[in-house]
Amino acid sequence: DTAVSQTPKYLVTQMGNDKSIKCEQNLGHDTMYWYKQDSKKFLKIMFSYNNKELIINETVPNRFSPKSPDKAHLNLHINSLELGDSAVYFCASSLLGPYEQYFGPGTRLTVT
Amino acid sequence: AQTVTQSQPEMSVQEAETVTLSCTYDTSESDYYLFWYKQPPSRQMILVIRQEAYKQQNATENRFSVNFQKAAKSFSLKISDSQLGDAAMYFCAYTGNQFYFGTGTSLTVIP
Repeated sequence: DTAVSQTPKYLVTQMGNDKSIKCEQNLGHDTMYWYKQDSKKFLKIMFSYNNKELIINETVPNRFSPKSPDKAHLNLHINSLELGDSAVYFCASSLLGPYEQYFGPGTRLTVT
Repeated sequence: AQTVTQSQPEMSVQEAETVTLSCTYDTSESDYYLFWYKQPPSRQMILVIRQEAYKQQNATENRFSVNFQKAAKSFSLKISDSQLGDAAMYFCAYTGNQFYFGTGTSLTVIP
């Protein structure tokens, strides 16, 4: 009964490939997020979705495209992977408003 | 824009001692929440404690407590009776209209 789950937990791939990371939450939350955590542990928000609609889209390359089939799922698709995309990607969810976010376990992406 | 500043990139504490991690924030919003998250080596982000800005009483969760100084925009985390399992990266976070994280403080617990 994991609250926020992500698959896969580890992803190793070569430059130029396309990959997806899936996220699901069973908390009944309205809002979901994608974060990138770099090697210095800085957390940077990439996208935020509320009820399947994009509400935050920080400056990320167009190669990153979030997709939300329903409010319990927010997937991240990455095209033409680059070395600089190597990081840990976190999915999170929350109620709409100034509330805490609950995080998935993270996906460590390594691009070789 | 709101900002969250953690001025201590690294801290260390002896086991069983007390340590305080600092956090300041900048905002013009009146309604907001503040949080501390813990990220152990397992990389899971764990909510440690939350503080609603409208509450004057400082939040406490077992060995974890905060010192919330609203006028000074300060939100420090105190860990009492430190344990080896407290070793982790600690992030201060703010949310009003959007969510903002600080840059983190790496806490080492010395046996």
